[in-house]
Amino acid sequence: AQKVTQAQTEISVVEKEDVTLDCVYETRDTTYYLFWYKQPPSGELVFLIRRNSFDEQNEISGRYSWNFQKSTSSFNFTITASQVVDSAVYFCALISTGANSKLTFGKGITLSVRP
Amino acid sequence: DAGITQSPRYKITETGRQVTLMCHQTWSHSYMFWYRQDLGHGLRLIYYSAAADITDKGEVPDGYVVSRSKTENFPLTLESATRSQTSVYFCASSLGGQGGGGNQPQHFGDGTRLSIL
Repeated sequence: AQKVTQAQTEISVVEKEDVTLDCVYETRDTTYYLFWYKQPPSGELVFLIRRNSFDEQNEISGRYSWNFQKSTSSFNFTITASQVVDSAVYFCALISTGANSKLTFGKGITLSVRP
Repeated sequence: DAGITQSPRYKITETGRQVTLMCHQTWSHSYMFWYRQDLGHGLRLIYYSAAADITDKGEVPDGYVVSRSKTENFPLTLESATRSQTSVYFCASSLGGQGGGGNQPQHFGDGTRLSIL
């Protein structure tokens, strides 16, 4: 069985603050993939990043960065210098390469960035 | 570039009626998925399809029927709608990849907000 835990349910920050969204996962498989999705207030789900279990390099894309640590089964997402447009629900998700594996989502973190 | 489109965006219907939600993608992705999103439950997989004429159950398939006669379309039918099926429904597609559900990113439609009275 696989599981994704996003312990933070709601986070509120002031614009320009840095914020980290936590994601902890569980899987028995050695090959798996982790994802982050963003759901802005308009409701659509936007793919942000995919990371495979063999690549522990951190990733940076503009103000976004991701820290993958297999030792702690975590795939955390940091937004630097947050902006109001970053306000959204953020989902972490996991899928392994097992024959019966499906994409498992965490419950999501609601991020509010105040001006 | 339409990508993936869902219709209708909003639907109100009554208990016991049949309703079909449409999903169409223009990427020729082999995999397609249906999810429902409910407060407190996050996103849950209803059904998915690895290719035309191949479908399989997800986490919450009861009360739903799917078909995939063409690669680009994946309709979801509620045969006899119940209030518990009030939800936001998302269709997604992906290139597939390794494993039963594929390891490639899934790309989502804008969702259908379904209310059953």
